[in-house]
Formats: sequence, structure tokens, C-alpha cells
Amino acid sequence: EDQVTQSPEALRLQEGESSSLNCSYTVSGLRGLFWYRQDPGKGPEFLFTLYSAGEEKEKERLKATLTKKESFLHITAPKPEDSATYLCAVQIVPSGSARQLTFGSGTQLTVLP
Amino acid sequence: SAVISQKPSRDICQRGTSLTIQCQVDSQVTMMFWYRQQPGQSLTLIATANQGSEATYESGFVIDKFPISRPNLTFSTLTVSNMSPEDSSIYLCSVKKGGAGGRDVDPRFFGPGTRLTVL
Repeated sequence: EDQVTQSPEALRLQEGESSSLNCSYTVSGLRGLFWYRQDPGKGPEFLFTLYSAGEEKEKERLKATLTKKESFLHITAPKPEDSATYLCAVQIVPSGSARQLTFGSGTQLTVLP
Repeated sequence: SAVISQKPSRDICQRGTSLTIQCQVDSQVTMMFWYRQQPGQSLTLIATANQGSEATYESGFVIDKFPISRPNLTFSTLTVSNMSPEDSSIYLCSVKKGGAGGRDVDPRFFGPGTRLTVL
């Protein structure tokens, strides 16, 4: 069964303390991996798409990387406004339609001032 | 990206009633989806809203419980019928822009969600 696992479930950092969030997946035929940010009471906000192992994407303090089994979201010198739940999702090549995304359960990040 | 609005943003409903949620997009999109996010959990796809034809439902979701309409390429509705407390969730509209063919891995964009509480 295809699975997406995010760790840790929750992470508390001091402002400026860099860290990484993990998204591991056991799927066959990965077509794309997505990272989203979700603030409380809001819909997920798209951050990155990664298509193949070795690919990296950056946006401000965030950098996403992808290997054949997992993705990391690196947060460099975080600020309190980076506090949110970070979700990853994978899209695979199933025998039927390729429209389905499988979401992880998310990492709740809190950055303390 | 796409600007997506949902109405209502939240509602409190009585058991046995129905609620219709509206999703409006600022531009034409090829695919629209409806997700559910139960408290403390991640997103689960309910169905794909197809323009001009019946929605395609995922396992565990049926049309009688979650009827969906999509009259054009910018608008869709999801109705939660005969509600019970177990239907309390955030319901999210999502869209994928771009062609229906090759770029199937284009990212999904999400609306702000509708927070539903059923008493």
C-alpha cells in the first residue's frame, strides 16, 4: 500500500535555529512530490514541486530536496512567521487515473521568538 | 496560481440537515476537486468534479451523501447531506490548472476551506 510518512509530528524551534522536516514515501512510480504550508483555519498553500531524485527547490528560508525514498524540507534561520503545519503529498502512476494525491499527516512547526 | 473562494467559511448545522458549499475560481481550470480534512488529520480526496458530467468519487464516498455539481469551468458545489457529527470537518476545494493531458503533475491549489460543525 502506498504510504507517505512525515516526521516529526511536531517541532519547536528557537528563532534562528535551523532544522529539517522529513517526508518518506513508499510508492511505486512517483510522478511528483509536493510541499504545502497550512496555517490554522486556512487551506494549504503550495510551496514546491519536486519531480525526480536529486532535484532541489528553494524559496526564501525554505529548501526542498528529493531522494528516491524521501524528501526533506530544510528551514534555515526560521522566524516566528514560519510557524505552520507543513504537508507533503505524492502523486504516483497508478494503473487507473493519475489524479490522486496522497498526503502525509503533516509536521506542526512552532518557531519561538 | 489561482484565487479560490469558498462559501460559507464556516457553519454550525443540526444533525439530519444538509449544507451546500460553493467554490469559485478566478479563472477557468481543467480539474476541480473536493477534499475533507478531519480534526487533526490530513487531507482525504472526496471526489473530482467533472464539468458537464457526474463527479468521480473516491472509495468510501458516495453521490447520495456528497452530491457535487460543476456547471462551468470556474464553479462547483459540494453538498453534505443528512449530516451527522462525524461529518464535522474542514471541506476544501482544490483546482489544477493547465491541460488535462501531459502536465498531470501540475500542483493543486486550495481554497480557504469551509469549517463545518454538526451538532
